Amino acid sequence: EPEVTQTPSHQVTQMGQEVILRCVPISNHLYFYWYRQILGQKVEFLVSFYNNEISEKSEIFDDQFSVERPDGSNFTLKIRSTKLEDSAMYFCASRGTGLYYGYTFGSGTRLTVV
Amino acid sequence: DQQVKQNSPSLSVQEGRISILNCDYTNSMFDYFLWYKKYPAEGPTFLISISSIKDKNEDGRFTVFLNKSAKHLSLHIVPSQPGDSAVYFCAASAQGNEKLTFGTGTRLTIIP
Repeated sequence: EPEVTQTPSHQVTQMGQEVILRCVPISNHLYFYWYRQILGQKVEFLVSFYNNEISEKSEIFDDQFSVERPDGSNFTLKIRSTKLEDSAMYFCASRGTGLYYGYTFGSGTRLTVV
Repeated sequence: DQQVKQNSPSLSVQEGRISILNCDYTNSMFDYFLWYKKYPAEGPTFLISISSIKDKNEDGRFTVFLNKSAKHLSLHIVPSQPGDSAVYFCAASAQGNEKLTFGTGTRLTIIP
């Protein structure tokens, strides 16, 4: 079964450093998303991406965050200057066309900012 | 801003019995609802969804019921199996809006 692949599974970084989280969505999917889950809290929407541009973003997704689809297969989330409160599980998701909203999520990257 | 609420953080059910997970929402613009299942160290896995034009959707052992007037939905799993032990998230979206709004999850434990 097709799956969304995320790397790395765990990333530890120092506060103030830049991190790039990588995702390979399902190959024929056109809509891409990042969500995050802070430990013990609910899964929160960060950003949606379609046709090489952001279609929607949440208030969490401030100027420190950016997304890119650099080569037609990877989908990345960059955090420019990490803060302690960025520590969370980050999930990438993708979906195809139509009204089906059942995204396929990746297994996540656990980001720990120290 | 708890637009989607799952008031039971945990639920234990005997194997073979029915599991009922509940979810309430406050935003009347939501018109599509989904249930996801999540195992530790994995991403959420889509289980079943329902559009607001329906009040029931069934897929094998899983049935979702929607009561729009009460802004309430529930997921029924019958019969419950040990592999169903996981965290279950309710999620909702509004027409034309890409994002899913998730509840806080209910940890379901099936007792053999």
